[in-house]
Amino acid sequence: DAKTTQPNSMESNEEEPVHLPCNHSTISGTDYIHWYRQLPSQGPEYVIHGLTSNVNNRMASLAIAEDRKSSTLILHRATLRDAAVYYCILIPYAGNMLTFGGGTRLMVKP
Amino acid sequence: ETGVTQSPTHLIKTRGQQVTLRCSSQSGHNTVSWYQQALGQGPQFIFQYYREEENGRGNFPPRFSGLQFPNYSSELNVNALELDDSALYLCASSARVDSGNTIYFGEGSWLTVV
Repeated sequence: DAKTTQPNSMESNEEEPVHLPCNHSTISGTDYIHWYRQLPSQGPEYVIHGLTSNVNNRMASLAIAEDRKSSTLILHRATLRDAAVYYCILIPYAGNMLTFGGGTRLMVKP
Repeated sequence: ETGVTQSPTHLIKTRGQQVTLRCSSQSGHNTVSWYQQALGQGPQFIFQYYREEENGRGNFPPRFSGLQFPNYSSELNVNALELDDSALYLCASSARVDSGNTIYFGEGSWLTVV
């Protein structure tokens, strides 16, 4: 499985935008880029996913580099509820088994 | 609310015992996966069931087994429990087995082995 690299932790102020980076230099052409987050004492929660083009939904935006070797999850205005571990995961087209790395622990300061 | 429900939420077992964890998938979802999450770590894939057949397995020994029923609910069974089996066990369901599809997780079952 292609691996991803994320910073261990990041800090943000409430109401400010947050850019969470992910490197995936060994991504293959059919790998989808998925982001999940896990709030304390909860199961992981789907955030967004994409293949080649940038994607937006009500939770976040996903910016994918032109060579697809990196991506950035963008939270437009961080709230205290966004404090969680964010996982960037690559999933081959013919499968939906998630391989979680260490993720990025996002801390949001009031 | 993801529509994926797991039971029990917490349980304590003794080393050597057996445990069964249950999962009801979201309505219409025919694919169920199980994950183990040790404290401070990311979830690890155990196995997946698609239409009642095992569709993939992670690096877990045979004492971890599962079932999927015709209504697509699922069970995870662990025999001969070891202390290291203490973890959060997560069930995830999705409508299809391909990757362009959202996967929904339950809140998990916390297992403590003493």
